[in-house]
Amino acid sequence: GENVEQHPSTLSVQEGDSAVIKCTYSDSASNYFPWYKQELGKRPQLIIDIRSNVGEKKDQRIAVTLNKTAKHFSLHITETQPEDSAVYFCAASKGDKIIFGKGTRLHILP
Amino acid sequence: DSGVTQTPKHLITATGQRVTLRCSPRSGDLSVYWYQQSLDQGLQFLIQYYNGEERAKGNILERFSAQQFPDLHSELNLSSLELGDSALYFCASSPPGIADTQYFGPGTRLTVL
Repeated sequence: GENVEQHPSTLSVQEGDSAVIKCTYSDSASNYFPWYKQELGKRPQLIIDIRSNVGEKKDQRIAVTLNKTAKHFSLHITETQPEDSAVYFCAASKGDKIIFGKGTRLHILP
Repeated sequence: DSGVTQTPKHLITATGQRVTLRCSPRSGDLSVYWYQQSLDQGLQFLIQYYNGEERAKGNILERFSAQQFPDLHSELNLSSLELGDSALYFCASSPPGIADTQYFGPGTRLTVL
């Protein structure tokens, strides 16, 4: 069935370094790929998204890349800051249903 | 604040009981989605409604049901509750024409004792 694999499950990076989270999806008909950030006990918040007609999208320190041929997409956070510590979820959708990855817990070390 | 509201914020109940969670979507949004998030787990899609009609179904148990009313608010009913139903329940809404982009409410934390 449809599936989204997300790696790693936990990631620790030094403050100021970059963090990369990767996801692969199984349904080649997926055409929308959002990323959500969830702080402890809070709601998931959309931080960036990309549609299948675009290969890369950037918003300040956050960027997402998409490789439709390989069916994978990645989140890149540069110059990480303490407030980037959270759980990040990727997702893939083809309009009727959205499938989330299991999440990556990102720790920013001082 | 996403504009999606959920009540109650917290709910504590006993096994075997029934509860109703409520969600009001953002103004203008027609779609409502329900998710379950257990401790340290990902988001499990339960069900989606669009303008009052069921649109998609995920891993929703038979003990759970939902509906969307004419004013577009939605309710998730959980019955014959078990300890394992303890979780955060989120609702999300999406704007018409951009059905994929979902905005989440603050969630309802359900504790079954």
